[in-house]
Amino acid sequence: EVQLVESGGGLVQPGGSLRLSCAVSGFTFTNYWMTWIRQAPGKGLEWVANMNQDGSEKCYVDSVKGRFTVSRDNAKSSLYLQMNSLRAEDTAVYYCARAVGVSRYSASYLYWGQGILVTVSS
Amino acid sequence: EIVLTQSPGTLSLSPGERATLSCRASQSVSNSYLAWYQQKPGQAPRLLMYGASNRATGIPDRFSGSGSGTDFTLTITRLEPEDFAVYYCQQYGSSPPYSFGQGTKLEIK
Repeated sequence: EVQLVESGGGLVQPGGSLRLSCAVSGFTFTNYWMTWIRQAPGKGLEWVANMNQDGSEKCYVDSVKGRFTVSRDNAKSSLYLQMNSLRAEDTAVYYCARAVGVSRYSASYLYWGQGILVTVSS
Repeated sequence: EIVLTQSPGTLSLSPGERATLSCRASQSVSNSYLAWYQQKPGQAPRLLMYGASNRATGIPDRFSGSGSGTDFTLTITRLEPEDFAVYYCQQYGSSPPYSFGQGTKLEIK
């Protein structure tokens, strides 16, 4: 059974930092691009960042460039999102997700974690 | 960046009826790399369709997708009570970042 489990969320003050983790099981982690997607309370979905299989390629949405860093540890089958200089508008449920296939072009998301809430507030 | 516009914003129908949801892109979506998701309150999204018309694993055949270029449609024939939810389209035909539509809420009439 494929599982993606996020952790590390919580309440943080504006300007603060937080590191999210996503532990996966049930598939060969090293075969897949991995992605972070977020959803602000009561709002729609926003694609945040992705990373290829060996970590050599990353992409970010403009609103988080220079503040967020995606990384992975293939030995631990884990994906991470380091979030710095957090703003109120970063408040959201953050999901890690895996695509249908292994190709870079296969970016529809079949498996999702349960999501983890990040609240940025003073 | 490709902007996706979904319509209508809210669709009120009764069980047994047919639902037609639209997703329009600001520019052509390469290779029809367009996906549809269903999301219920408090849950992660569930992939319904990918490549515009391919049903994901375990999705009932009352769900179908169509379209190409800039216009895409998700059709649900014979609505079941569990189909009432929010639906999102997402394009992945251009280079990332990939974009989602703003969602269509399908509610019980």
